[in-house]
Amino acid sequence: AQKITQTQPGMFVQEKEAVTLDCTYDTSDQSYGLFWYKQPSSGEMIFLIYQGSYDEQNATEGRYSLNFQKARKSANLVISASQLGDSAMYFCAMREGRIADRGSTLGRLYFGRGTQLTVWP
Amino acid sequence: GAGVSQSPRYKVAKRGQDVALRCDPISGHVSLFWYQQALGQGPEFLTYFQNEAQLDKSGLPSDRFFAERPEGSVSTLKIQRTQQEDSAVYLCASSLLGVARVDTQYFGPGTRLTVL
Repeated sequence: AQKITQTQPGMFVQEKEAVTLDCTYDTSDQSYGLFWYKQPSSGEMIFLIYQGSYDEQNATEGRYSLNFQKARKSANLVISASQLGDSAMYFCAMREGRIADRGSTLGRLYFGRGTQLTVWP
Repeated sequence: GAGVSQSPRYKVAKRGQDVALRCDPISGHVSLFWYQQALGQGPEFLTYFQNEAQLDKSGLPSDRFFAERPEGSVSTLKIQRTQQEDSAVYLCASSLLGVARVDTQYFGPGTRLTVL
């Protein structure tokens, strides 16, 4: 089974509007972390935002916020006030943790297949 | 400060050739990861180092793939007898702390490998 599912291959949004990129995850661990990365056409993966499984507040970083719904195992990225430079591929990722060791995680990230966001003027 | 750097940025190899891909992590970062990203896919984990110790190599697809980080900084991913299915972007990432804490992985620009 896929650990990270991104069901939107492509999304379109007009400049200055908000957009939500969907992400669901699958894990049996109690301690895990969720990440969003942006990958422009240049290829580099740019870290955007992080949410820990024990964090009670939704994470926010500038125009990015993470809508974390633990019971539904979803971690959607919300981009407010879209800009043309936001056009890129967006990846959701998860790092699992050890049940016996709250707050610590294993190393690897599991990525989804990504959502291509296009912002139009 | 400088981010993660990788070289070469592009590599074309004939099938059967050996290649070596280099990663310079962010200075002081303990952890280093290699991922493989096929066209149109998300990155897939290959291997992980904490300092010079390779703690997880379960993602390496075959024994043709070998990675090392002998002094705990620069890492090299080597692919022997390359095959066409090895064509992908190889991403390197580093993070400040070890496995014991949650921390963010910062990625390099990747090496695009094309095997003819």
